[in-house]
Amino acid sequence: EAGVAQSPRYKIIEKRQSVAFWCNPISGHATLYWYQQILGQGPKLLIQFQNNGVVDDSQLPKDRFSAERLKGVDSTLKIQPAKLEDSAVYLCASSLTSGTTPYEQYFGPGTRLTVT
Amino acid sequence: DQQVKQNSPSLSVQEGRISILNCDYTNSMFDYFLWYKKYPAEGPTFLISISSIKDKNEDGRFTVFLNKSAKHLSLHIVPSQPGDSAVYFCAAIVFGNEKLTFGTGTRLTIIP
Repeated sequence: EAGVAQSPRYKIIEKRQSVAFWCNPISGHATLYWYQQILGQGPKLLIQFQNNGVVDDSQLPKDRFSAERLKGVDSTLKIQPAKLEDSAVYLCASSLTSGTTPYEQYFGPGTRLTVT
Repeated sequence: DQQVKQNSPSLSVQEGRISILNCDYTNSMFDYFLWYKKYPAEGPTFLISISSIKDKNEDGRFTVFLNKSAKHLSLHIVPSQPGDSAVYFCAAIVFGNEKLTFGTGTRLTIIP
């Protein structure tokens, strides 16, 4: 079974530039998550999709971050314009239909973003 | 507001001995807990979980203990192996809401 795919793996941009990350979840997984992991911290949920719809985006900085899930499968996360504090690893995860234990989420390898 | 805390940023253990990783939480609404393991340049991978109706769950070398009254859980690895060297994250969830709240992680190093 193929895992969660993410690209690019690394990205370096200057502040005020824009950047986009792509995620392809495990086939059949209805729920998709984007996390931000700042160095020395645990992953923090940015947005959760259930199929095409947004379930939780309460911690997404909507003035600069946006995300969409195309046809309930792939997803993109965009930052525009980037700030220095956006430097982090962006993790995508997926899981089976919500409401099933053990709530196991499968993570991709992440995209390491450096904003200079 | 750090609802899940791992107060030990790092831990070194001799190969073959027991590794004990600790996690504390403050939100009494949490009713399911998970441990994830992360190698460098990889995403976290699920290791073991426990429901709040249990106080122990075992899977091979890994055992998780939950003390609800103390809002504390621990992960025991016996015996520790070099491949166990990784960062371990504790995470918690509320039933009906798949939002994982992670701790800050503990870097475990197994010394051969």
